[in-house]
Amino acid sequence: SQQGEEDPQALSIQEGENATMNCSYKTSINNLQWYRQNSGRGLVHLILIRSNEREKHSGRLRVTLDTSKKSSSLLITASRAADTASYFCATDAKSGYSTLTFGKGTMLLVSP
Amino acid sequence: NAGVTQTPKFQVLKTGQSMTLQCAQDMNHEYMSWYRQDPGMGLRLIHYSVGAGITDQGEVPNGYNVSRSTTEDFPLRLLSAAPSQTSVYFCASRPGAGTSLEFFGPGTRLTVL
Repeated sequence: SQQGEEDPQALSIQEGENATMNCSYKTSINNLQWYRQNSGRGLVHLILIRSNEREKHSGRLRVTLDTSKKSSSLLITASRAADTASYFCATDAKSGYSTLTFGKGTMLLVSP
Repeated sequence: NAGVTQTPKFQVLKTGQSMTLQCAQDMNHEYMSWYRQDPGMGLRLIHYSVGAGITDQGEVPNGYNVSRSTTEDFPLRLLSAAPSQTSVYFCASRPGAGTSLEFFGPGTRLTVL
């Protein structure tokens, strides 16, 4: 079953603009991660935020987590054409080994 | 390090045929997983392994078998291919219990006619 649901399904912006994607999930989590997938390629891990964290930064990426609303957002600042990809959130429910549950993804198109 | 490698990249099967998708990692990761990705969907877990000799079912295990005889290799077997198994298959690995961060292979695109 899909735990995370990304919103919007697709996003089209111009280079230099910021892109915001949202993820909602249904059950309590241990961690939430964001992955990027370029067309025809495997997923690449971007950032992980733990359930006791509210915000995390990595380069041009900013992730927030609101466990009371069971939601997360990924902000990409100053987007580039190379950011064009699909972005997925993934959650795991407990510490130790826990399977990941992925959302359906947001497809981001950044035009030059 | 090559990371996670998968072979073949593309495969076309006829209904009823069997085949094995290969996956290997050279990072000495303890955990390995197989996912499938269908159009407009996220990834769904097929099978996973928490160490050599230990495997378990994920969300969509029917029609697939796995084994883990070594730390490095985690092959996925389709016993009797069906059109519903047309998908892109990804293998992933992670170091162990300390993280849920997955490292993904490049994928195998499988078409079953």
